[in-house]
Amino acid sequence: QKEVEQNSGPLSVPEGAIASLNCTYSDRVSQSFFWYRQYSGKSPELIMSIYSNGDKEDGRFTAQLNKASQYVSLLIRDSQPSDSATYLCAENYGGSQGNLIFGKGTKLSVKP
Amino acid sequence: DAGITQSPRYKITETGRQVTLMCHQTWSHSYMFWYRQDLGHGLRLIYYSAAADITDKGEVPDGYVVSRSKTENFPLTLESATRSQTSVYFCASSPANWGTGELFFGEGSRLTVL
Repeated sequence: QKEVEQNSGPLSVPEGAIASLNCTYSDRVSQSFFWYRQYSGKSPELIMSIYSNGDKEDGRFTAQLNKASQYVSLLIRDSQPSDSATYLCAENYGGSQGNLIFGKGTKLSVKP
Repeated sequence: DAGITQSPRYKITETGRQVTLMCHQTWSHSYMFWYRQDLGHGLRLIYYSAAADITDKGEVPDGYVVSRSKTENFPLTLESATRSQTSVYFCASSPANWGTGELFFGEGSRLTVL
């Protein structure tokens, strides 16, 4: 059973701080990983993708992948209240569009 | 630029009734998906389609039927609704090039089965 595990939170950080969101996965053959953001009552939207070990930076967001430890993380620097949302980690384990598995999401709250 | 639209956005029905959720996309994306989202389970794939007339089961297909006669439409039918199918349903699409891994989601359809 392929699984993606996330701490459901809520994770609360003050404005301007670094928010760290973590995700572990069970399948060693997983090839690519994604972070989606979902505001309350809205649909998910992709914010980061990562395929290789190491870090990938995009603006205030940094995704980190460690395949040996089966661990993916998302760092949000200079957190803003507008970052308050649920963050979904997803893995594509088979290279096909139909093989995307989502975690249950971590709720982030950024306090002004 | 309509993108991907779902209808109805909200639906209340009774156990045993047939319900169809509609999904329409204007991007000509090859792939389309239906997910359901429930508290405690996250997003789970029901069915997906790689192209017109090609569909495949996802993680939780039981009780659902899909069809895709045209590239732009991907309706999801609950043939005999049950209370356990109360959920928020998201349709999504993706271009054939999987390079970005991006799914484009519709706004969701909230279904309540009484």
